Amino acid sequence: ETGVTQSPTHLIKTRGQQVTLRCSSQSGHNTVSWYQQALGQGPQFIFQYYREEENGRGNFPPRFSGLQFPNYSSELNVNALELDDSALYLCASSLDPKNEQFFGPGTRLTVL
Amino acid sequence: GENVGLHLPTLSVQEGDNSIINCAYSNSASDYFIWYKQESGKGPQFIIDIRSNMDKRQGQRVTVLLNKTVKHLSLQIAATQPGDSAVYFCAERGNQGGKLIFGQGTELSVKP
Repeated sequence: ETGVTQSPTHLIKTRGQQVTLRCSSQSGHNTVSWYQQALGQGPQFIFQYYREEENGRGNFPPRFSGLQFPNYSSELNVNALELDDSALYLCASSLDPKNEQFFGPGTRLTVL
Repeated sequence: GENVGLHLPTLSVQEGDNSIINCAYSNSASDYFIWYKQESGKGPQFIIDIRSNMDKRQGQRVTVLLNKTVKHLSLQIAATQPGDSAVYFCAERGNQGGKLIFGQGTELSVKP
């Protein structure tokens, strides 16, 4: 186990709703990265947070937003859910932005 | 653009044989490459990494080879075991901080 936890493990939402996913980083890690993994695909980078600031963003629309808290835990928020948002959402924590990333088990989001 | 891809989507080997999983990347500016193993229902697990100033790195039963001339990465697993059955992803760190770019993945199946 990596020490990175995510909640909830599974979630079902309907189109147009909003969702918040949570991630607790490994002790001592100040960086959290979020990825979306569609079925049968590799993870796609959403964004990274370093010391509570966004530190890079992938090709995702603004309805994907995030936060990092003083204890370095993080949230991913998705507004106006679409069917294509159905995926496994992974967070990874690291000592700093360029160090090895340790992944959590993911949150499986299903949008109906 | 940035892209990491895999030559073979599935690989089936006999227990005890050696496995080779290949990966092509397109960003010659990438400086760091990682192999991850992902079992069903879990997040990606770090296996081994290599920096762009190296061409080979060995771990326990695993070896990663990097050929920058042809932008090719491979993972060799010695004496493959049933517990090695999983999806394997290569990833590169692009030129945007800690962003990891993943390939599609290769499913390794080990027959006892």
